[in-house]
Amino acid sequence: NAGVTQTPKFRVLKTGQSMTLLCAQDMNHEYMYWYRQDPGMGLRLIHYSVGEGTTAKGEVPDGYNVSRLKKQNFLLGLESAAPSQTSVYFCASSYPDWQPQHFGDGTRLSIL
Amino acid sequence: SQQGEEDPQALSIQEGENATMNCSYKTSINNLQWYRQNSGRGLVHLILIRSNEREKHSGRLRVTLDTSKKSSSLLITASRAADTASYFCATVGGFGAGTRLTVKP
Repeated sequence: NAGVTQTPKFRVLKTGQSMTLLCAQDMNHEYMYWYRQDPGMGLRLIHYSVGEGTTAKGEVPDGYNVSRLKKQNFLLGLESAAPSQTSVYFCASSYPDWQPQHFGDGTRLSIL
Repeated sequence: SQQGEEDPQALSIQEGENATMNCSYKTSINNLQWYRQNSGRGLVHLILIRSNEREKHSGRLRVTLDTSKKSSSLLITASRAADTASYFCATVGGFGAGTRLTVKP
């Protein structure tokens, strides 16, 4: 049982490049989340999804887009990467109504 | 802005001592959760306490909740070097910035 798997684990981009981060969960969870974690700031919610085909904005959505075409996958896209998006990105999933979240091990993204 | 704020930001203790971390939050909650994060890894859920509970235990963990003060505390008893990690509280509004706990052998 893999839980939550994030791909890739590390990536370096140049300013202006685009990329997609993939999150996959095998627990049949309805809810999925994307966070970014920066030093001293904890986790900030970027976007989340309450079910297949749905997405919603979180605390810091600007510069990111998401898609949830399949229940088990949640994709985070950066259309034009900026140095301010250098961060560690975490995906999580859970059952509805604020149940405990299960996290992946993160994607470390550097934008030069 | 984050709902949960932890205090202290960092805590260093000797193995065998107890560690207490505090969390304050801003709005009404149905439950509050505590998570642990080891260096370079994702967060792991430790314990959930509902708004109608005042105290909850899980192994060496004890969590208290005071909804009148909008605060919670996490106590780790008889700490071990393996408890070295960051600890976060979380409510429906989000995660706090965490307490970095170092347990020295």
